[in-house]
Amino acid sequence: GESVGLHLPTLSVQEGDNSIINCAYSNSASDYFIWYKQESGKGPQFIIDIRSNMDKRQGQRVTVLLNKTVKHLSLQIAATQPGDSAVYFCAERPNTGNQFYFGTGTSLTVIP
Amino acid sequence: GAGVSQSPSNKVTEKGKDVELRCDPISGHTALYWYRQRLGQGLEFLIYFQGNSAPDKSGLPSDRFSAERTGESVSTLTIQRTQQEDSAVYLCASSLGTGGAGYGYTFGSGTRLTVV
Repeated sequence: GESVGLHLPTLSVQEGDNSIINCAYSNSASDYFIWYKQESGKGPQFIIDIRSNMDKRQGQRVTVLLNKTVKHLSLQIAATQPGDSAVYFCAERPNTGNQFYFGTGTSLTVIP
Repeated sequence: GAGVSQSPSNKVTEKGKDVELRCDPISGHTALYWYRQRLGQGLEFLIYFQGNSAPDKSGLPSDRFSAERTGESVSTLTIQRTQQEDSAVYLCASSLGTGGAGYGYTFGSGTRLTVV
């Protein structure tokens, strides 16, 4: 299977600070990436996506950066809030298939 | 419906029994996926349905696992002769298609299966 890994399994940040969650992927043929947020007892929720022809995409308080040279993806959350506490997954989709491959996840804890 | 609905939300079964998990995708979503999530781990792809095409079963871990989908609506995931290692949350997701960006999944809340 594919290997999508995260550099840090847990991350704690102070409320109001910026958060950066990193992800390494292994398949250079992946052309589409998504970040998901999963709160306890719920299914993953789409946050932001990026195609391989882009290196940066911004949403509301979130930015995804893609570095294809080193196969690295990051999610930046500005002004982190307690409601951002969750497990964050990156997912990649190889251009040879239809399914996404998910990493283990990073647990983000926001300290009030 | 407004979202992806899965039932039951929790299921406890005895080892060796069969279980059936149900997924109602978002109306109009042609693609449907099943994933398995073990405690503290990422999502493991199981099976994918797209319209009337043959399903991609490449992720099913053994022949005890099977899934069906009626047209572009309800899907059921069946696990026969359950084993303790089958204990996990089973997540269903649907999407409009698989053509490219914007076709991210909408996930259900999952079925938590516990085999005792």
